[in-house]
Amino acid sequence: DAGVTQSPTHLIKTRGQQVTLRCSPKSGHDTVSWYQQALGQGPQFIFQYYEEEERQRGNFPDRFSGHQFPNYSSELNVNALLLGDSALYLCASSLFGVTSGITSTDTQYFGPGTRLTVL
Amino acid sequence: SQKIEQNSEALNIQEGKTATLTCNYTNYSPAYLQWYRQDPGRGPVFLLLIRENEKEKRKERLKVTFDTTLKQSLFHITASQPADSATYLCALDDSGGYNKLIFGAGTRLAVHP
Repeated sequence: DAGVTQSPTHLIKTRGQQVTLRCSPKSGHDTVSWYQQALGQGPQFIFQYYEEEERQRGNFPDRFSGHQFPNYSSELNVNALLLGDSALYLCASSLFGVTSGITSTDTQYFGPGTRLTVL
Repeated sequence: SQKIEQNSEALNIQEGKTATLTCNYTNYSPAYLQWYRQDPGRGPVFLLLIRENEKEKRKERLKVTFDTTLKQSLFHITASQPADSATYLCALDDSGGYNKLIFGAGTRLAVHP
């Protein structure tokens, strides 16, 4: 059973460019969340997708947008890249709904991340 | 404003000892608190979830406590091993269970043989 997969693993872009990152959730999961993790920091919530709609959003500008497909996979798009966008971008999958906390499927499973470097 | 704090400095301990990591939070009333392990260049891996009405949760050599009065969670690893060396992240659910997680900066644990 494949876990959460992300592509590409590494990416180098220049300021002003646009980037698309991809994520496939763990089998059986229907919700995808995206996080940004700067070096030495904890992950910061960007947004969450369920049923192809953005359900929750963190404190990120509109340059960050996303999409979820019918097969539950998701894309994160970042426009007009800034140097400060350099980070590890993490995708996490889960089942939508209130966490019951009884089984492991309640929690989020993270992918290995995409390391984005903006020059 | 809301804040989550973890020991900012690395924790160095001897193999076989118990490691204790601290997570303090302010201006939250979380229903759940989670602990994750993260190795360099990898995504976080879920370890334990504890609810506000649970004082303690255990899983093998791991133990988590949750004190909503002190607004603090403690994470213990007993009989620590060098393989336990990693960064440990504390996370609160900011959405009432809908997995919008707010993470602390993490504490790096180094277990020495």
